[in-house]
Amino acid sequence: EAQVTQNPRYLITVTGKKLTVTCSQNMNHEYMSWYRQDPGLGLRQIYYSMNVEVTDKGDVPEGYKVSRKEKRNFPLILESPSPNQTSLYFCASSFFSLGGGTEAFFGQGTRLTVV
Amino acid sequence: GIQVEQSPPDLILQEGANSTLRCNFSDSVNNLQWFHQNPWGQLINLFYIPSGTKQNGRLSATTVATERYSLLYISSSQTTDSGVYFCAVVTGGSTLGRLYFGRGTQLTVWP
Repeated sequence: EAQVTQNPRYLITVTGKKLTVTCSQNMNHEYMSWYRQDPGLGLRQIYYSMNVEVTDKGDVPEGYKVSRKEKRNFPLILESPSPNQTSLYFCASSFFSLGGGTEAFFGQGTRLTVV
Repeated sequence: GIQVEQSPPDLILQEGANSTLRCNFSDSVNNLQWFHQNPWGQLINLFYIPSGTKQNGRLSATTVATERYSLLYISSSQTTDSGVYFCAVVTGGSTLGRLYFGRGTQLTVWP
């Protein structure tokens, strides 16, 4: 089954404790990205990657890191989480096209709480 | 960046009613998708519809790219249709591939 898998689904952590949210897709997509969703602010892009070893900042990259060592995986790293990073996080993937991308598929979401 | 506006922001229906959700966008787009966010927070793909009309069961969507809008039709609403419906678009240029989301329409269907 074609899918984007995020783990964990739920996470409660303490301020400053490094964490990684994993994302894996099995559709051979080039383009992967992370979004966060907050009440009143909608979905905002954090980072994106157009292919292996190619990553770039989205709208709200502060406090986050990413890496793309393999095509299928795109982990999101919070080196020193803070309470303002409490949010619902989504990983997404799609084929990359110079015409503007193709249908995007989203993971199930990771609900992160930083206390 | 591009502005994506959805209307209405909230919609309350009785089971069996029909509804139309609208998405306006401020610039030309390469792609457009409709999503349903269920009460558990998951984003479910409904339609990938950069132009034209598509139907899937009780749902259908139409995008008129030249006039910069898309419509999502829900017929014979069911309680399981409740949730937030998002429209998202992809533009070209330096933001190639990035999705811009509207603020969503919160749909509540009562039995």
